[in-house]
Amino acid sequence: KQEVTQIPAALSVPEGENLVLNCSFTDSAIYNLQWFRQDPGKGLTSLLLIQSSQREQTSGRLNASLDKSSGRSTLYIAASQPGDSATYLCAVLAAGNKLTFGGGTRVLVKP
Amino acid sequence: DTAVSQTPKYLVTQMGNDKSIKCEQNLGHDTMYWYKQDSKKFLKIMFSYNNKELIINETVPNRFSPKSPDKAHLNLHINSLELGDSAVYFCASSQGGGGGDGYTFGSGTRLTVV
Repeated sequence: KQEVTQIPAALSVPEGENLVLNCSFTDSAIYNLQWFRQDPGKGLTSLLLIQSSQREQTSGRLNASLDKSSGRSTLYIAASQPGDSATYLCAVLAAGNKLTFGGGTRVLVKP
Repeated sequence: DTAVSQTPKYLVTQMGNDKSIKCEQNLGHDTMYWYKQDSKKFLKIMFSYNNKELIINETVPNRFSPKSPDKAHLNLHINSLELGDSAVYFCASSQGGGGGDGYTFGSGTRLTVV
């Protein structure tokens, strides 16, 4: 059974600092990994999607890496801004077309 | 706007009532899902439908009955609501199993059972 863990559960940084969010999964037989952002009381916004054959994806200040063999992904957010404050969720898609989510990392960027 | 739309956004109801949540996607996806996010913020799949056919049912109580009139709609009907059903319910869609462009989620329906 696939399990996804995100560490840390919460993170508070001053504005301008780089953010590093970690995601690990137990079964490396995945199709892809997707990072989402969730604002309080809101839905999920897809940030980056990494296929199992890819090592990383970049979008603006966001960069996500994937090491499938070790079951890890890292989301980097450069030069954090207060608007980056949200909960970040990673999810892996595996056999049976099931998307399994981690518990999320709650990020606070202080001005 | 291309999106996954859910209604209502908020739903407050008494125990024992029956309620429905509607979901529509205009992305042309052939697979739709219902996810439940509990008080601890964990998201877990409940159902998956592909072209109106049930693909995944994750041991959800049979008080929950999804209905897919066509591949662009997946509604969730809940009978005899219980306090433990209080959660945020998210609808999502993908093309195929999501291996291509990933999943797109709706904005959620916050259900409160009192």
